[in-house]
Amino acid sequence: EAQVTQNPRYLITVTGKKLTVTCSQNMNHEYMSWYRQDPGLGLRQIYYSMNVEVTDKGDVPEGYKVSRKEKRNFPLILESPSPNQTSLYFCASSFGREPNQPQHFGDGTRLSIL
Amino acid sequence: AQSVTQLGSHVSVSEGALVLLRCNYSSSVPPYLFWYVQYPNQGLQLLLKYTTGATLVKGINGFEAEFKKSETSFHLTKPSAHMSDAAEYFCAAAGKGGNKLVFGAGTILRVKS
Repeated sequence: EAQVTQNPRYLITVTGKKLTVTCSQNMNHEYMSWYRQDPGLGLRQIYYSMNVEVTDKGDVPEGYKVSRKEKRNFPLILESPSPNQTSLYFCASSFGREPNQPQHFGDGTRLSIL
Repeated sequence: AQSVTQLGSHVSVSEGALVLLRCNYSSSVPPYLFWYVQYPNQGLQLLLKYTTGATLVKGINGFEAEFKKSETSFHLTKPSAHMSDAAEYFCAAAGKGGNKLVFGAGTILRVKS
């Protein structure tokens, strides 16, 4: 089954404790992206990647890191999480190197930073 | 920079009534346009997309949207609402030749019985 898998689905942690949210897709997609969803703000892009070893900032990259060492994986790293990063996070992937194809979304990761 | 505006954070309709969710984009060059739906505790699912060609686009679950360049709009409609349509709907745009997908703030659709 074609899917985007995120882990964990839920995480409660404390300020400053490094965490990684994994994202993996099995569709051989080139374009992958991370979004955060906040009430009244919709989804905002954090980082995106057009191919292996190619990543770039989205609209809200501060406090986040990503890597794309393999085509299927695109982890999101919070080196020193802060309470303002409490949010619902989605990973997505799509065919091609531009976001002009439909995005396939994971089920989301709800992060609470205390 | 590309932006997407969804008019109305909440829309309430009666079952069987017309659904109209509004979306406007800001771009002098028509972008690629999408509507996604999000059910509670789930990720987003594609409803429909506009790239080029026919301006009336049909999607899943009886939804359709019309691209109007003169109005920079891409409103989503469904002739008859069903209880199962209750969800949050997002309009999104990607500029041609660009690398980013921009979402609107979302519209929560409530369907009353």
